[in-house]
Parts: sequence; structure tokens; C-alpha cells
Amino acid sequence: DTAVSQTPKYLVTQMGNDKSIKCEQNLGHDTMYWYKQDSKKFLKIMFSYNNKELIINETVPNRFSPKSPDKAHLNLHINSLELGDSAVYFCASSQVPQEVSSYNSPLHFGNGTRLTVT
Amino acid sequence: AQSVTQLDSHVSVSEGTPVLLRCNYSSSYSPSLFWYVQHPNKGLQLLLKYTSAATLVKGINGFEAEFKKSETSFHLTKPSAHMSDAAEYFCVVINTGGFKTIFGAGTRLFVKA
Repeated sequence: DTAVSQTPKYLVTQMGNDKSIKCEQNLGHDTMYWYKQDSKKFLKIMFSYNNKELIINETVPNRFSPKSPDKAHLNLHINSLELGDSAVYFCASSQVPQEVSSYNSPLHFGNGTRLTVT
Repeated sequence: AQSVTQLDSHVSVSEGTPVLLRCNYSSSYSPSLFWYVQHPNKGLQLLLKYTSAATLVKGINGFEAEFKKSETSFHLTKPSAHMSDAAEYFCVVINTGGFKTIFGAGTRLFVKA
């Protein structure tokens, strides 16, 4: 059973389009995240939700809008896509927010969505 | 302020030889430290974690890391590299108490036959 699954795996689209990436976790975790990995493999957190509530919102353009319908799902919608949005987006989950208690809260990652904007 | 520096962007070893991936951190508080591995086209997987218990931490696949407070280091080692160890490795620092999780820039490990 896949613990954190995200779809699609690949997404190729043109500038100006709107697209969504979906994420689901079956680990019973309270906290979910979106990370962006650039072409140099650098990972940066975008958003974090705990029990459907937004707890971290990094300096991300408001074209990016996360939505958490329940604590097992965290979707990412991106409006008006730009070339610079091309990256791999990772969904992750942890038992509790890492900044609260890292001891029992390692991150569990999905396999990523490679977004290419042309 | 907190930060993490992975001292090598690339490390190349021969199969069967030891692996050393270096990580230094900066933290105002007692940190929690992690190593994650990322294989091609995969998400990151936890290798091991240090959370103020034993300073020598054993992880999966024969990896281990030692927390050295005096040197602010958390280097990852393995006695004998295997071809399947070829991947990207990330050192991560977290300060509990509301601070962010910080990822290092990654070290790419190449294993030669």
C-alpha cells in the first residue's frame, strides 16, 4: 500500500494554464505538507496543514492555493502557470507538525509530481 | 538562526569502500537532525534521526551517523558501499519550538563498480 500518493506523476502544460496536483496519505497522520524541489535539488517548504488548518504558509505567490478537504488529503492548485513554476512538487505527511515534536514526526514523502511549464 | 551545510555536492566511491557524507549545522537550540535519501524519480525516505538520545544513531541499510555537538556535525557513514546506495542524500535540521525544517542542499553519491 502506498503511504503518500500524489497524482499526476508528470504534468506538462503551457504558461497561463491552471492545474491541480492531488495528494492523499493513508498513514493516519495529522500534518501534511507541500514542498518544491528545484532543478538543483534544493527543497523548500511551501505549505503545511495540521488537521485541515493551515499552519505554515511560506512566501509563495498567491497563484498557489492549497486545499485540505480532510486531514488525509492536501491538494495544490496553481493558477496562471509561469515558466518558473517548473519543478518537482512533493507532498509529505508527518504524525504531528515537525516543529512541535520532531521525535515521532519524520516526514513521509510521496514520489513527486514533475511539473513542466512551456 | 538555524542552517545546515552539506560540505560536498558530489561524492564518488567504489563499491565495497566506506562512505562518508558530511553535514554541519548551525542552531541556537538543541536540534533534531535527520538524514533522508532520495533515489531517482522517488520521494525522500528517512534513513535515520537524532533527537537528543544516543549520539551514535543507526539507520536503515547499514547507515549510521554521529552527532558531535562540539563540532556541530552530523556526518553520515556506511562501512561498505553498495551499488544500490547511489542516490541523493539530504541532511535536515529542525529546532522544536516553532522553527522551520531546514534541508541541506543535498549530496549526490555515486558508486562505481
